[in-house]
Amino acid sequence: AQSVTQLDSHVSVSEGTPVLLRCNYSSSYSPSLFWYVQHPNKGLQLLLKYTSAATLVKGINGFEAEFKKSETSFHLTKPSAHMSDAAEYFCATGGTSYDKVIFGPGTSLSVIP
Amino acid sequence: DADVTQTPRNRITKTGKRIMLECSQTKGHDRMYWYRQDPGLGLRLIYYSFDVKDINKGEISDGYSVSRQAQAKFSLSLESAIPNQTALYFCATSDRRLAGVGYNEQFFGPGTRLTVL
Repeated sequence: AQSVTQLDSHVSVSEGTPVLLRCNYSSSYSPSLFWYVQHPNKGLQLLLKYTSAATLVKGINGFEAEFKKSETSFHLTKPSAHMSDAAEYFCATGGTSYDKVIFGPGTSLSVIP
Repeated sequence: DADVTQTPRNRITKTGKRIMLECSQTKGHDRMYWYRQDPGLGLRLIYYSFDVKDINKGEISDGYSVSRQAQAKFSLSLESAIPNQTALYFCATSDRRLAGVGYNEQFFGPGTRLTVL
């Protein structure tokens, strides 16, 4: 069975410092992996996706993630945090051919001025 | 803009009442989903539908039912609401034509915050 683990329920960084949000997955085959962001009182928006092309994936708003099969990880990074990055972030893995997606529990990112 | 909309955005109701949450989309997608979000639990799938005649249970379907009235409309019902159904509910869509093996980007509505007293 597929699963996603987000290792930190909450991360706090200072504005201008790097962001690292961790995600590990479990899958019996090559997965599709996603990062979504949820701003307060909003729906989820796709940040980036990995679908077995390049292992370093660039997304919107300066975020990127690297697929590491040996570590079963897909961590999300950004070189310099901005106040507008404060939100909830969800890692997800694509399901089987019938399209089920498994979401992690989420990581809340706070950005301190 | 093609979009996913949910009504109502907020609802407070009492235990035992019947509630319907509605979802409409103008994306032209064939697949629609209902999720529930609870703090610390992420999103859990309630029901999903791959076309108008196809309805499937997700991981937490007990206490819920759905209706796919048209390709663009997918409603979620709580026949007799209970307090532990208090949560944030999301509708999402995806496009079969974009779905390769395991690739299934989903597009989310803004959510409905439901409180059952």
